[in-house]
Amino acid sequence: EDQVTQSPEALRLQEGESSSLNCSYTVSGLRGLFWYRQDPGKGPEFLFTLYSAGEEKEKERLKATLTKKESFLHITAPKPEDSATYLCAVRAAGNKLTFGGGTRVLVKP
Amino acid sequence: EADIYQTPRYLVIGTGKKITLECSQTMGHDKMYWYQQDPGMELHLIHYSYGVNSTEKGDLSSESTVSRIRTEHFPLTLESARPSHTSQYLCASSENTGHEQFFGPGTRLTVL
Repeated sequence: EDQVTQSPEALRLQEGESSSLNCSYTVSGLRGLFWYRQDPGKGPEFLFTLYSAGEEKEKERLKATLTKKESFLHITAPKPEDSATYLCAVRAAGNKLTFGGGTRVLVKP
Repeated sequence: EADIYQTPRYLVIGTGKKITLECSQTMGHDKMYWYQQDPGMELHLIHYSYGVNSTEKGDLSSESTVSRIRTEHFPLTLESARPSHTSQYLCASSENTGHEQFFGPGTRLTVL
């Protein structure tokens, strides 16, 4: 059974304080790892797709990396508007996405 | 502008009522999905469709049903709502199964 575990569950940062979120996964044949951002009461917003170990993607203050067992989402010099829940999901051979529980990030000014 | 829409955004109903949650997308995607998400919890897939007249149950058992008569439309129906159905329902679509899924804003359902 595919499993996705995200840590920490919650993260409080001061504005400008860089940090990393972890997504550990156990799947049979990874076919894609996806990062989403979700604001309260809204649907998830797509951020990145990673397909193979060593791959990196960047968007503004966010950078996602992938190894054979985990992915990291690095937030560099975060701003209050980066406050959200960040979700990780994996797609394996069954073509369906399995989501982790998310990391709630709060950036204080 | 290509987008995915869900209505209503919020719904409060009494036990036993029949409801339909609407989901439409203008992105031309063949693949569509319904997820259920309780506050602070993971998204769980409850239904998916790979095209017109194709529907499958997801990983989480659900008493809801879906239909896919048109490519752009994927409604979810509860014949008799119960308090245990209280949750947020999220609709998504993708160009292909290997591609990222794009989500609608969600419907927050409360059954009294």
